[in-house]
Amino acid sequence: DAKTTQPPSMDCAEGRAANLPCNHSTISGNEYVYWYRQIHSQGPQYIIHGLKNNETNEMASLIITEDRKSSTLILPHATLRDTAVYYCIVITPGFQKLVFGTGTRLLVSP
Amino acid sequence: GAVVSQHPSWVICKSGTSVKIECRSLDFQATTMFWYRQFPKQSLMLMATSNEGSKATYEQGVEKDKFLINHASLTLSTLTVTSAHPEDSSFYICSAVTDGRRSGYTFGSGTRLTVV
Repeated sequence: DAKTTQPPSMDCAEGRAANLPCNHSTISGNEYVYWYRQIHSQGPQYIIHGLKNNETNEMASLIITEDRKSSTLILPHATLRDTAVYYCIVITPGFQKLVFGTGTRLLVSP
Repeated sequence: GAVVSQHPSWVICKSGTSVKIECRSLDFQATTMFWYRQFPKQSLMLMATSNEGSKATYEQGVEKDKFLINHASLTLSTLTVTSAHPEDSSFYICSAVTDGRRSGYTFGSGTRLTVV
């Protein structure tokens, strides 16, 4: 079973920051937080992952709370092409099956 | 970065026939691959875990005799949908564990199967 909770949908205006929350209150010490997104009719795409420190890459930033029970994915300047379903997953990479929850459907509008 | 190639991207087949979907890791060795199925407006549902050189492990409710998985090499896993029926029409996606690489798991682009 998925171990995360995400809002089912969010809207964001083009050019604005999109902040997608995720609750993972049962995360264990060796589990990472991974974010993937799935654009319609494509395979999921890796965005970012982290263990306890905040992370940033060319796509997004990941903010993990100090107690690691929740995190936020930030798309700093959302574009129309960022419209997708975003999945937050907690897992120990390589040792567990990647189980998807229902994700957050982000709609970026002009 | 790690690339997983999935083929075909779409296929239409007649009811009762079998369809094979291939998943290849192009620039890394994938000892473990996963197969998912996704129905419209739903999330990905894990079907099975495929380990190179051994039998696949199927999730509860997935018929192993209907969805045959072969992982004979470190770069190729195949899913064969046998005796396909219209209810098997779905989007099938594979992924591979990319040990040590940043992305953890890399996904194929998916195969849209339509059974008529």
